[in-house]
Amino acid sequence: AQKITQTQPGMFVQEKEAVTLDCTYDTSDPSYGLFWYKQPSSGEMIFLIYQGSYDQQNATEGRYSLNFQKARKSANLVISASQLGDSAMYFCAMREAMEYGNKLVFGAGTILRVKS
Amino acid sequence: GAGVSQTPSNKVTEKGKYVELRCDPISGHTALYWYRQSLGQGPEFLIYFQGTGAADDSGLPNDRFFAVRPEGSVSTLKIQRTERGDSAVYLCASSFPGGVGDTQYFGPGTRLTVL
Repeated sequence: AQKITQTQPGMFVQEKEAVTLDCTYDTSDPSYGLFWYKQPSSGEMIFLIYQGSYDQQNATEGRYSLNFQKARKSANLVISASQLGDSAMYFCAMREAMEYGNKLVFGAGTILRVKS
Repeated sequence: GAGVSQTPSNKVTEKGKYVELRCDPISGHTALYWYRQSLGQGPEFLIYFQGTGAADDSGLPNDRFFAVRPEGSVSTLKIQRTERGDSAVYLCASSFPGGVGDTQYFGPGTRLTVL
């Protein structure tokens, strides 16, 4: 079974600074995908960024980048130039293959608070 | 385009009652998923549809839970004889197989409260 670990229950960051949210994973599958989602207080899960296990370069999407270290099985999310609107819960997830299709396995999440 | 929609946004019911939760996926997305998120936790997989059929229902906790997707678009999650432990946010997601990473896009969820 696959497992996702997010060790930081909560994080604070000063507005305009960068912050790293940690995620480690455990899998024996050579092919896998890693995702980060943002969940504001409204409850909707918003897709941020994706990294495939065979991708040669770290994924980037605007202010979001994924620090993918395959040997260490970590996929940390880096948010640059934090904004007040970045305050939310952040989930790391891994795509797990089923007999037909895939499902996501989520970590416990990290609450991020951006201070002005 | 329109995202995943879910209705109702909130549902309060009494223990023992029957509830239905509806999900309307993104147009053209053939894969549909249901997840349950308890307070303070990440979502947990319930069931996956590819087209009209339930391809994997291994996450359904017991036989009180059932889901359908009769025409391959809208899905309904049905819970019989609700219990207080069923209280959670029920999230629906959809994806287009072959899309980048098979990324799942989520709806706003239905918050179910069983009194």
